[in-house]
Amino acid sequence: GNSVTQMEGPVTLSEEAFLTINCTYTATGYPSLFWYVQYPGEGLQLLLKATKADDKGSNKGFEATYRKETTSFHLEKGSVQVSDSAVYFCALSVGQGAQKLVFGQGTRLTINP
Amino acid sequence: DTAVSQTPKYLVTQMGNDKSIKCEQNLGHDTMYWYKQDSKKFLKIMFSYNNKELIINETVPNRFSPKSPDKAHLNLHINSLELGDSAVYFCASSLTAGGEKLFFGSGTQLSVL
Repeated sequence: GNSVTQMEGPVTLSEEAFLTINCTYTATGYPSLFWYVQYPGEGLQLLLKATKADDKGSNKGFEATYRKETTSFHLEKGSVQVSDSAVYFCALSVGQGAQKLVFGQGTRLTINP
Repeated sequence: DTAVSQTPKYLVTQMGNDKSIKCEQNLGHDTMYWYKQDSKKFLKIMFSYNNKELIINETVPNRFSPKSPDKAHLNLHINSLELGDSAVYFCASSLTAGGEKLFFGSGTQLSVL
């Protein structure tokens, strides 16, 4: 079946540190890949996506590259801010029709000033 | 204005009770969803409705019954609550059934005692 595995949290970093949150996936077919973010007290929102191999999704200084050879979609940011503190979810979807996102378990990120 | 709003935010109840969680979206989207986040933080889809019609129905006990009075609302009714139903339930919506960008509510934390 389709599944997503993220690195275990929580992750705690200092402001301006480099961030990597690992995500690997298992899928039948050719999935689209996503990162969602959940800020405190809010619902999840789409951060970025990539729909085919070697695509790079980017938004708000975050980037992730769709690596088919390693079945990975790691999230990176060069210099994190306190406002990036949130829970990050990696997800995939396969096929057409009704959307059925498969999520990872989420990684809680805390940035200290 | 909150795009996807669900109530209540917290729900504490006894085993055997019946409870409902309400969800409303003001985005004009056609499709709405219920997701369950388990104790390991995995988000799993439960149901999806498109224009008031059920289009996704995952393996969920029939004690869970979604109801969509119109395409802006998708409520979740749970009969005979069990300890294992304790989780965070998220409502979401997307523009269309195949839409890849989901908008989530902030979640309802259900605790069954």
